[in-house]
Amino acid sequence: KQEVTQIPAALSVPEGENLVLNCSFTDSAIYNLQWFRQDPGKGLTSLLLIQSSQREQTSGRLNASLDKSSGRSTLYIAASQPGDSATYLCAVGVLGWAGSYQLTFGKGTKLSVIP
Amino acid sequence: DAGVIQSPRHEVTEMGQEVTLRCKPISGHDYLFWYRQTMMRGLELLIYFNNNVPIDDSGMPEDRFSAKMPNASFSTLKIQPSEPRDSAVYFCASSLSYKGEGRWEQYFGPGTRLTVT
Repeated sequence: KQEVTQIPAALSVPEGENLVLNCSFTDSAIYNLQWFRQDPGKGLTSLLLIQSSQREQTSGRLNASLDKSSGRSTLYIAASQPGDSATYLCAVGVLGWAGSYQLTFGKGTKLSVIP
Repeated sequence: DAGVIQSPRHEVTEMGQEVTLRCKPISGHDYLFWYRQTMMRGLELLIYFNNNVPIDDSGMPEDRFSAKMPNASFSTLKIQPSEPRDSAVYFCASSLSYKGEGRWEQYFGPGTRLTVT
């Protein structure tokens, strides 16, 4: 059974710092990996999706990397801003029988960026 | 597109009552997922559909939970009878399986916060 772990559970940084969020997974036979952002009381917003054949994806100040063989992904946030404060969730996608597909989520890292 | 739409946004009910949560996926998406989020267990997949057909309901916690997708634009998750331990945020998500680079990217609705007293 796929298990996804995110460390740390919470992180507090001063504004302007670069930071890295970590995600590890137990089964390397994945199809893709998705990073989400969740604001308090809100739904999930997809930030980046990395296919298993890719090493990284970038969007603005965000860069996500994937090392499938070691079961790790990182989300790098450059020049953090107070508006980046949210919970960041990593989710691993697996293709199953007959083309079925499932995401398994980590419990998230709660990020606070202090002005 | 308006994105995934869920209703109601908040539901407060008494133990033993029937609860029905509703979801409208993004038009054209062929997969629909129901998740539950709690502080203790995080986000858990309950059930998902492909082209309106339930594919895997192994995450549904008990027989009190049921889900239907009568057409491509509507799905319901029903709890009958409801219990306090069902209190959680329930999310619906949809995705498209037939598209190049963005294949399988899941789009989530805003969720329904359910409180059972």
